[in-house]
Amino acid sequence: GAVVSQHPSWVICKSGTSVKIECRSLDFQATTMFWYRQFPKQSLMLMATSNEGSKATYEQGVEKDKFLINHASLTLSTLTVTSAHPEDSSFYICSVRKGGSTDTQYFGPGTRLTVL
Amino acid sequence: GENVEQHPSTLSVQEGDSAVIKCTYSDSASNYFPWYKQELGKRPQLIIDIRSNVGEKKDQRIAVTLNKTAKHFSLHITETQPEDSAVYFCASKGNNFNKFYFGSGTKLNVKP
Repeated sequence: GAVVSQHPSWVICKSGTSVKIECRSLDFQATTMFWYRQFPKQSLMLMATSNEGSKATYEQGVEKDKFLINHASLTLSTLTVTSAHPEDSSFYICSVRKGGSTDTQYFGPGTRLTVL
Repeated sequence: GENVEQHPSTLSVQEGDSAVIKCTYSDSASNYFPWYKQELGKRPQLIIDIRSNVGEKKDQRIAVTLNKTAKHFSLHITETQPEDSAVYFCASKGNNFNKFYFGSGTKLNVKP
């Protein structure tokens, strides 16, 4: 498998503030990381694909100016929720792909965001 | 784009019975199909996967079958145990961009 960490595990913030979530690949270099959000009792929705050293690729309907993604190194990608509102409250999960002939994605533990 | 449908949405079985979860996909170019188990508030964990050049794969009590012609794949859990209770997601991956498309999930409840 792969070891993926996320920080923080949970965060509560006031409406209008920005929140940064970190995703780290601890045991290998990940050229590609993915960001998902998951509402209660629902499936994982892909938000964007984070590519090291280049701009993230966002899925249709995801505002790139609201969900800023930075993949500055092969082991770290960050998701910043800017000017958060209560409707942004969700479970945000990152995943990493080992690459090469392996398609498997390994997920981080997730970050529970609550916007008051 | 790809569309993955998963059934049933909930499944309740008695301990020791078998459980089967089915998924269909729309993109014939999809070539990799993983299954994830997610317990409440935790990360999805890969439990088994299959590639498009294989029809069946088994790992102890868990098996996955793939029918490329019909574009569907299924998860089979035998001798279910209470600790198998969780939400299970299927996913498919196409040739491009390595993106996963997830099914809507199946909540499995194994009654002791």
